[in-house]
Amino acid sequence: GAVVSQHPSRVICKSGTSVKIECRSLDFQATTMFWYRQFPKQSLMLMATSNEGSKATYEQGVEKDKFLINHASLTLSTLTVTSAHPEDSSFYICSAASESTQYFGPGTRLTVL
Amino acid sequence: DAKTTQPPSMDCAEGRAANLPCNHSTISGNEYVYWYRQIHSQGPQYIIHGLKNNETNEMASLIITEDRKSSTLILPHATLRDTAVYYCIVREGSQGNLIFGKGTKLSVKP
Repeated sequence: GAVVSQHPSRVICKSGTSVKIECRSLDFQATTMFWYRQFPKQSLMLMATSNEGSKATYEQGVEKDKFLINHASLTLSTLTVTSAHPEDSSFYICSAASESTQYFGPGTRLTVL
Repeated sequence: DAKTTQPPSMDCAEGRAANLPCNHSTISGNEYVYWYRQIHSQGPQYIIHGLKNNETNEMASLIITEDRKSSTLILPHATLRDTAVYYCIVREGSQGNLIFGKGTKLSVKP
């Protein structure tokens, strides 16, 4: 299957700082990428859909000014958590659409102190 | 909200077939059934998908009832590495968003 990578896999930061997470489709081009968040013992929640070259579409309740998404190329999307707070601590997972299937990255564990 | 209903947990003996059921009684004609699994602290892994015909690949088989209101994912010879949460997802067309429910936690035991 297609491969999606994320970097970093784990990050710890201080409250108030910003954190950038990269998502790359390694062996295919993805016009559309997705960002999910997963809290402990819960399922994945879709945060936003990003399309290459255009603005992301955010799900209800997700602050677009706090979670900045950039999809500048067909193989790279970035999620920046701005002014992170402890409640933003979570497992962030991206996926990339290839034909009729979405392939997921390994996830990024964010801990905000 | 997820459009599927799955049992919260199941056990399976190693080497036996694991049959994971999913109800999707409100599925519409252009909606596909997708299965993913998530091993602890990893991203979801695509398993298989189908519209109305049964499907098989190297990982699993997907059996969809004729009325399409339910389906079963079959892992023919479960191994310990198949222990994971399995998500059954109904998706509009082949490009719609994936909305995850709570899934079924499958425990494969020696």
